[in-house]
Amino acid sequence: KQEVTQIPAALSVPEGENLVLNCSFTDSAIYNLQWFRQDPGKGLTSLLLIQSSQREQTSGRLNASLDKSSGRSTLYIAASQPGDSATYLCAVRLHRNAGNMLTFGGGTRLMVKP
Amino acid sequence: GAGVSQSPSNKVTEKGKDVELRCDPISGHTALYWYRQSLGQGLEFLIYFQGNSAPDKSGLPSDRFSAERTGGSVSTLTIQRTQQEDSAVYLCASSSSSGGALSYEQYFGPGTRLTVT
Repeated sequence: KQEVTQIPAALSVPEGENLVLNCSFTDSAIYNLQWFRQDPGKGLTSLLLIQSSQREQTSGRLNASLDKSSGRSTLYIAASQPGDSATYLCAVRLHRNAGNMLTFGGGTRLMVKP
Repeated sequence: GAGVSQSPSNKVTEKGKDVELRCDPISGHTALYWYRQSLGQGLEFLIYFQGNSAPDKSGLPSDRFSAERTGGSVSTLTIQRTQQEDSAVYLCASSSSSGGALSYEQYFGPGTRLTVT
């Protein structure tokens, strides 16, 4: 059974810092990995999707990397801003023939202080 | 364009009552998913619909939970004889399966917060 772990569970940083959120998964036979953002009381907003054949994806100040063989992904946030405060979730989808549901990590709750 | 919509946004019900939660996916998306997010359990998969294929119900926690998808679009999640442990946020997502780099990227609705008293 696929298990997804996110470290740290919570993180507080001053504005302007660069930071890294970590995600690890136990079954490396993934089809893709998605990073989401969730604001309090809201749904999930997709940030980045990395296919299993890719090493990284970038969007603005966000960069996500994937090392499938070691079962790890990182989300790098550059020059953090108070508006980045949210819970960040990573989720993996197993290989194509194993169903299409996502398995989620427990999330990292990020607070960026002005 | 319009995203995934869900209704109601909040639902309070008494233990033992039945509830129906609705999801309207992004137009043209053939895949639809239901997830549940509760304290202590994180976000867990419930059920998945793909086109006209039989749904994948492997995540449903009990036979009190059922879902249908009419006409390949709108979906309803029904919980019968609700229990307090059913209290959670129920999230719906949809995705396209037409191929390409972004195929299967899941887009989520705002969720329905269910409280069973």
